[in-house]
Amino acid sequence: DAGVTQSPTHLIKTRGQQVTLRCSPKSGHDTVSWYQQALGQGPQFIFQYYEEEERQRGNFPDRFSGHQFPNYSSELNVNALLLGDSALYLCASSLDRAGYGYTFGSGTRLTVV
Amino acid sequence: GQQLNQSPQSMFIQEGEDVSMNCTSSSIFNTWLWYKQDPGEGPVLLIALYKAGELTSNGRLTAQFGITRKDSFLNISASIPSDVGIYFCAGQLRSGGSNYKLTFGKGTLLTVNP
Repeated sequence: DAGVTQSPTHLIKTRGQQVTLRCSPKSGHDTVSWYQQALGQGPQFIFQYYEEEERQRGNFPDRFSGHQFPNYSSELNVNALLLGDSALYLCASSLDRAGYGYTFGSGTRLTVV
Repeated sequence: GQQLNQSPQSMFIQEGEDVSMNCTSSSIFNTWLWYKQDPGEGPVLLIALYKAGELTSNGRLTAQFGITRKDSFLNISASIPSDVGIYFCAGQLRSGGSNYKLTFGKGTLLTVNP
């Protein structure tokens, strides 16, 4: 049973560029959340998608946007990259109303130079 | 963004020792979760707590949901080398049965000396 799959695993971008990260949720899960984890910090919630809609959003600027597809997979887009966007981006999936925590992917390590 | 107050920040212990770490918040949560993260991996769920005062065990791990709903602790008994990693607490405010965002602590780095 595949867990949460994220791609790519590593990425290097230049300031001002745009990036798209992808996530396939665990089989049977319908909710996808994205988190940003800076070095030495805990994950910070970016947003959550359910039924192809953004249901909840954290304290991140509009440069961060996302999408959920009918097969429940999701994309995270970041425009006008800043050096401070360098982080591990984690995708987490869950089954809404299941009553237990999320399953996390291994993340995409984004470096902005 | 908001992060929970997790302590200690790091621990260096001998194999076989017991470990205790805790997490506090200024806000109330109705779910507390404890995760472990190994290098290059995402967090893995260890224990989930859903009721104030609840005490739950998972093998050598025991966690409690504080009665005020603003704190939680995790104990690891008889530590072994594979317990090495970063432990995170996370609070969640679930509404209507739906799973909403997790608010994480900064983590406790555990090192076990064989």
